[in-house]
Amino acid sequence: GQNIDQPTEMTATEGAIVQINCTYQTSGFNGLFWYQQHAGEAPTFLSYNVLDGLEEKGRFSSFLSRSKGYSYLLLKELQMKDSASYLCAPLDSNYQLIWGAGTKLIIKP
Amino acid sequence: GAVVSQHPSWVICKSGTSVKIECRSLDFQATTMFWYRQFPKQSLMLMATSNEGSKATYEQGVEKDKFLINHASLTLSTLTVTSAHPEDSSFYICSARSGTSGRLSYEQYFGPGTRLTVT
Repeated sequence: GQNIDQPTEMTATEGAIVQINCTYQTSGFNGLFWYQQHAGEAPTFLSYNVLDGLEEKGRFSSFLSRSKGYSYLLLKELQMKDSASYLCAPLDSNYQLIWGAGTKLIIKP
Repeated sequence: GAVVSQHPSWVICKSGTSVKIECRSLDFQATTMFWYRQFPKQSLMLMATSNEGSKATYEQGVEKDKFLINHASLTLSTLTVTSAHPEDSSFYICSARSGTSGRLSYEQYFGPGTRLTVT
């Protein structure tokens, strides 16, 4: 079967760093997306990893280890507007996105 | 680039009526469009996948006669909720992908969503 595992909720302090982990099991693998979703809004693209390693994009970085079925999203210099759900979504062998329940990130001042 | 619009953004309808939601890719041709439903505090649930000019593929448990999907052109897909009931009240989101080469083939660009309330 296909399975995505992310923490349900995390809390962090404004200005700090937080790492959101994701482990996945899919039938085939063609890369992994991270999306951000604010409450009541549609998801927006954050990152895409298809090779092992770290991809850095401003305050956000994403890491992938295909052999371990593991990815993380690293958010630096947290801002209040980063309070949202973060969705880890691998692409399976049919190039379909497999969605987990996401991690709700709460930023406190 | 890669903008997807949805209309309406919210709608309230009476039980038993039908509601049509439009999804448009504004600046690219979408060979594939996806329709999702999301209940409060739950994950995105894929309802169906549609390719332009062909019948939609529905996920298990989604009634195709109740949720009619039409993908008539490379920029427009519609979802019609027929004989809506209060339990159909949800956040409906469409997404589209271009199907050309590279990462952009597989990235899904999301519309802003439509909040449906059935009374």
